Amino acid sequence: EVQLVESGGGLMQPGGSLRLSCAASGFSFSNQWMHWVRQAPGGGLVWVSRINPAGTTADYADSVKGRFTISRDNAKSTLYLQMNSLSVEDTAVYYCLKFLYGDASWGQGTLVTVSS
Amino acid sequence: QTVVTQEPSISVSPGGTVTLTCGLNFGSVSTNNYPSWYRQTPGQTPRTLIFSTNTRSSGVPDRFFGSIPGKKAALTITGAQADDESDYYCILYMDNAWVFGGGTKLTVL
Repeated sequence: EVQLVESGGGLMQPGGSLRLSCAASGFSFSNQWMHWVRQAPGGGLVWVSRINPAGTTADYADSVKGRFTISRDNAKSTLYLQMNSLSVEDTAVYYCLKFLYGDASWGQGTLVTVSS
Repeated sequence: QTVVTQEPSISVSPGGTVTLTCGLNFGSVSTNNYPSWYRQTPGQTPRTLIFSTNTRSSGVPDRFFGSIPGKKAALTITGAQADDESDYYCILYMDNAWVFGGGTKLTVL
């Protein structure tokens, strides 16, 4: 069974940094594209970023480009999202996804709140 | 800027058939956009319904059908049930990025 467990969320001040982690199990992590998706309170789903299986190619939504960095450690079956220069607009639940051509397995999400 | 469009809200009668659509502000949706559909009830994690246009995710009943009948992708639900009342999101792939639509709130009444 695919399991994705996000961690690292919390309350941050604007301008701060945070690193999210996603521990994966139940599948061959090193062979899968992985994604981050977020959802602001009361809002819709927003795609954030993806990374290829080898960790050599990453893509980002325009709203986070230059501020967020996705990475992975295949030896630890863990996905990361480094978030810098946080703003109140980044407040959201962040989901880790195993994702291929739309076929997605979802974690439970971790809440990031950016507020002064 | 690419915008993925969905109806904000739709209602259907119990037992009825309803079609939700997923379009682009510029151009037509094709299989190369891998249109996919997700359902989310309040407070819950989203669940994959349909991926790559018309492939049902494991455990999804055949009441849910994905297609591209014209310029937009479509999710058709037949025999609507009370617990189909949810938010439905589509996603499209383009230019090395994925973009969600704003979601459709489906009401069964």
